[in-house]
Amino acid sequence: EAQLVESGGGLVQPGGSLKLSCAASGFSFSDSAIQWVRQASGRGLEWVGRIRSKTNTYATTYAASVKGRFTFSRDDSKSTAYLEMNSLRTEDTALYYCTGGSDYWGQGTLVTVSS
Amino acid sequence: QSALTQPRSVSGSPGQSVTISCTGTSSDVGGYNYVSWYQQHPGKAPKLLIYDVSERRSGVPDRFSGSKSGNTASLTISGLQAEDEADYHCCSYAGNYILIFGGGTKLTVL
Repeated sequence: EAQLVESGGGLVQPGGSLKLSCAASGFSFSDSAIQWVRQASGRGLEWVGRIRSKTNTYATTYAASVKGRFTFSRDDSKSTAYLEMNSLRTEDTALYYCTGGSDYWGQGTLVTVSS
Repeated sequence: QSALTQPRSVSGSPGQSVTISCTGTSSDVGGYNYVSWYQQHPGKAPKLLIYDVSERRSGVPDRFSGSKSGNTASLTISGLQAEDEADYHCCSYAGNYILIFGGGTKLTVL
């Protein structure tokens, strides 16, 4: 059974940094693009961006709201993707999901940016 | 890129049909046949229902159907059931490998 498990969320002060992980199993991770989607409490989904597979040169695309502050990476040997978040703002507070494969989703990890 | 526009809420009685709209622009919904719909129950991750405007994901009941006209995509749920009560999110390709979501619609089954 395909599974994605996010981790690394927590409470961070504005301007701080955090690195999320997304561990995959049960599908061909190395052939799959991984997308990150976030959801603020009581709000809709917001696409954060994607990192493509090695075949597609690990190309990354970012939403305008996070470009220059967030960085995607992946380690195919560990079937794990990462989201490094810098210069965090209160508006980045959300549940962060990773998705991949045939649209598999994790359960999310909560990031709270607050002083 | 602004979020796609969805009604905040819709409702219907069991057995009825409801349609949820998703309005964008010619740069996203109207420009590509890449609209998807997700269902999200409280406290759960979203689940893909429809992709490429009208293609049902394997295992999704045919009560769920998608369509598009101009800059507006629609999700129709026929024969409403209690378990359909959830939030529904549309998503469109917007060019340059960018995706954009709608604000989400809460469906209440009366």
